[in-house]
Amino acid sequence: QVQLQESGPGLVKPSQTLSLTCAVSGDSVSSGNYYWTWIRQHPGKGLEWIGNIFHSGTTFYNPSLKSRVTILLDRSKNKFSLNLTSVTAADSARYFCARDQTGDWVGDRWFDTWGQGTLVTVSS
Amino acid sequence: SAELTQDPSVSVALGQTVRITCHGDSLRSYYVSWYQQKSGQAPRVVIHSKTKRPSGIPDRLSGSSSGNTASLTITGAQAEDEADYYCSSRDRSGNRVFGGGTKLTVL
Repeated sequence: QVQLQESGPGLVKPSQTLSLTCAVSGDSVSSGNYYWTWIRQHPGKGLEWIGNIFHSGTTFYNPSLKSRVTILLDRSKNKFSLNLTSVTAADSARYFCARDQTGDWVGDRWFDTWGQGTLVTVSS
Repeated sequence: SAELTQDPSVSVALGQTVRITCHGDSLRSYYVSWYQQKSGQAPRVVIHSKTKRPSGIPDRLSGSSSGNTASLTITGAQAEDEADYYCSSRDRSGNRVFGGGTKLTVL
């Protein structure tokens, strides 16, 4: 059974870089047909897709965050990470990592496994 | 990027049927998935590939899709179905998108 676990600082100062890690167990980040994904949720709000990384290293980012986001794979430690630069209070949210499964064709995708999420607050 | 639109809230009497809808042009081209999020928990997939239920999801939840509209139907709603529901799909560029979410209240 695949499990994902987010980790990282719960408090980040404005203008600094938010860095989170998602540890994967029960599967390999190098396995095919999965996009390793970051999603966030502002308090009391909906889900916002941040971006993902394919096992090949190809990345996709939300256009609204693209200039500040980097997602990386660490194959040796079987984890992936999120870096979000120049954070403001608007980046305070719960951050989830998830596995994005591909079905029979490229238009068939779903998030089949989620971490519990980690709350990040941006404040001085 | 593509947008998916959901009603912010829906209510249903216990044991009755409710339909939660999701509208977006991307649904004409790509499959939808649905997620249930209970208070304080991570979301979980309840419907994927338009109509498929993962193991462990009760069969009173079902999905359908036609044109630019996808629906999640709960037949015989139970108290434990009270949650936020999100639809999701992708756009032409490969980016993923979520609907704004529907808060389901079971009366």
